[in-house]
Amino acid sequence: DTAVSQTPKYLVTQMGNDKSIKCEQNLGHDTMYWYKQDSKKFLKIMFSYNNKELIINETVPNRFSPKSPDKAHLNLHINSLELGDSAVYFCASSPRGTDGYTFGSGTRLTVV
Amino acid sequence: GEDVEQSLFLSVREGDSSVINCTYTDSSSTYLYWYKQEPGAGLQLLTYIFSNMDMKQDQRLTVLLNKKDKHLSLRIADTQTGDSAIYFCAESPPGAGSYQLTFGKGTKLSVIP
Repeated sequence: DTAVSQTPKYLVTQMGNDKSIKCEQNLGHDTMYWYKQDSKKFLKIMFSYNNKELIINETVPNRFSPKSPDKAHLNLHINSLELGDSAVYFCASSPRGTDGYTFGSGTRLTVV
Repeated sequence: GEDVEQSLFLSVREGDSSVINCTYTDSSSTYLYWYKQEPGAGLQLLTYIFSNMDMKQDQRLTVLLNKKDKHLSLRIADTQTGDSAIYFCAESPPGAGSYQLTFGKGTKLSVIP
């Protein structure tokens, strides 16, 4: 039973398209996150939501918009995709703060 | 990643010990973590150490923390081929940033049979 699940696992799309990545956690955690891992494996936080409320919004283009319909879900919508958006996007959740982070297996986005 | 530094590559022979080093800059970090990422997979928490500890041992893993030098290391005893992965050091700043982990760029460990 997957704790943090992301869909899709792979996403190949053309420049200019709009796409969404979904994330769901069944751990009952209050906080969910989106991280981006670039081609050099560098991981950087993008967004964090606590009980559906945005608490971290790092400097990312406003083409990226997170949406949390409930505390078990945090989706990432990306408008007008660019080549530089190609990366692996990881969803994660934690019960409180950084203790007990659980990561999803990632979504590999390729923009062509 | 600019606040947490790691060497990018490490190669060891099977059965030897591996030592992966990390330096961090935020001396007020409460927890320091080691994560493992196998190819095509997400990050798996290996171990963590609280900032008031010097050492933590968990089976084949030993974490050493030198707060004065802001240096963290992960020692893997009797390294196996299954240990081949990328290892990330991460720090947890206090305050509002406590929800955020700052990762190093990762050390790719290659185990030679």
